[in-house]
Amino acid sequence: DQQVKQNSPSLSVQEGRISILNCDYTNSMFDYFLWYKKYPAEGPTFLISISSIKDKNEDGRFTVFLNKSAKHLSLHIVPSQPGDSAVYFCAASAPRSGTYKYIFGTGTRLKVLA
Amino acid sequence: DSGVTQTPKHLITATGQRVTLRCSPRSGDLSVYWYQQSLDQGLQFLIQYYNGEERAKGNILERFSAQQFPDLHSELNLSSLELGDSALYFCASSVGGTSGDNEQFFGPGTRLTVL
Repeated sequence: DQQVKQNSPSLSVQEGRISILNCDYTNSMFDYFLWYKKYPAEGPTFLISISSIKDKNEDGRFTVFLNKSAKHLSLHIVPSQPGDSAVYFCAASAPRSGTYKYIFGTGTRLKVLA
Repeated sequence: DSGVTQTPKHLITATGQRVTLRCSPRSGDLSVYWYQQSLDQGLQFLIQYYNGEERAKGNILERFSAQQFPDLHSELNLSSLELGDSALYFCASSVGGTSGDNEQFFGPGTRLTVL
């Protein structure tokens, strides 16, 4: 049972335009959502997170929106740059026995075209 | 460079064998996490240790085990290997381990190939 889903395996965007990466989840117990970026031959790196009590969090060119009623979140990158080309993972955490368990999606490969 | 080191980078072995993957967390980080990424799959959380103690267990097979040592480095032991165990294994570390938005710092991964 995939509790965190990234239904678009890939996305191509022109440089300077907006990139929108989507993520759906099924577990209403998730209380934090995180986005990680991964370049080839490297481990994922943290980008931005959002608490379930918020609907928006912004950090520079990156904004994450959370729609709890739809169990949907999205990552907006504006403006997109060629260096943003990477695989983006959505992750969610749920409290469990005094700690947190993390569930990752399968990733979306973003290609920003120059 | 995340500050998390993993050895070896690549490992090729045969079915039925046993291997050990090693992870050194960032200086000061108390939590270590292990993840498995199979082809076209997301990161599957395996297990978390915090300051030497197991804190959370994910989809870790009984053939797999891990530990965190007093110097905080961690080892993931995979035994009776099967073809399906071929994957990228990532280690991550974080300062704490009790907050849901803990930023995890990932190592470069160990690519395991079972023939």
